[in-house]
Amino acid sequence: ETGVTQTPRHLVMGMTNKKSLKCEQHLGHNAMYWYKQSAKKPLELMFVYNFKEQTENNSVPSRFSPECPNSSHLFLHLHTLQPEDSALYLCASSQGGMDEQFFGPGTRLTVL
Amino acid sequence: GNSVTQMEGPVTLSEEAFLTINCTYTATGYPSLFWYVQYPGEGLQLLLKATKADDKGSNKGFEATYRKETTSFHLEKGSVQVSDSAVYFCALSDQGDYKLSFGAGTTVTVRA
Repeated sequence: ETGVTQTPRHLVMGMTNKKSLKCEQHLGHNAMYWYKQSAKKPLELMFVYNFKEQTENNSVPSRFSPECPNSSHLFLHLHTLQPEDSALYLCASSQGGMDEQFFGPGTRLTVL
Repeated sequence: GNSVTQMEGPVTLSEEAFLTINCTYTATGYPSLFWYVQYPGEGLQLLLKATKADDKGSNKGFEATYRKETTSFHLEKGSVQVSDSAVYFCALSDQGDYKLSFGAGTTVTVRA
């Protein structure tokens, strides 16, 4: 149990669907992150939130829309995705900027 | 900018063999260094960390020493088990900027 949970664990969606990924951390951390992990590519940081404020958007297309209503919850809203967006989406949290990050199990997304 | 370079895999070993995964980094400041492990179907887990030069991180029989003079953080284990089969990621965090820079990952397979 890592203290970071993600739902759903698996998601299949069409290119015109709208869906959301959810992440919750039970560690009392201040920062939360979204990463994309694609086969044979390095882990890509997508968004960073610190005390609910977005501090990093790593040139992510607007079809990915993050939301952080409080320090414990993070969402990734998905809209009109492309097949190349199929990947494992990982959520993480940390207490501070140089502290280790704790990862959730990920959501395996397939876009048809 | 910050970057991490780790040896490419895949690496295949027999049980009880010695494992080394090389990791070197470039950073503008005084980074913290991490090794993460990802078992099949799971998210990343912190394996060990070191926050300053000459620190040695250790966990589950794995060790890595923060070498500032060679900008390295090589991971070692003296006797691997089948259960050590996973993907290993070297990472750094620098100056509290809430970003982890990851290496590309090294896939390790241990045969019985």
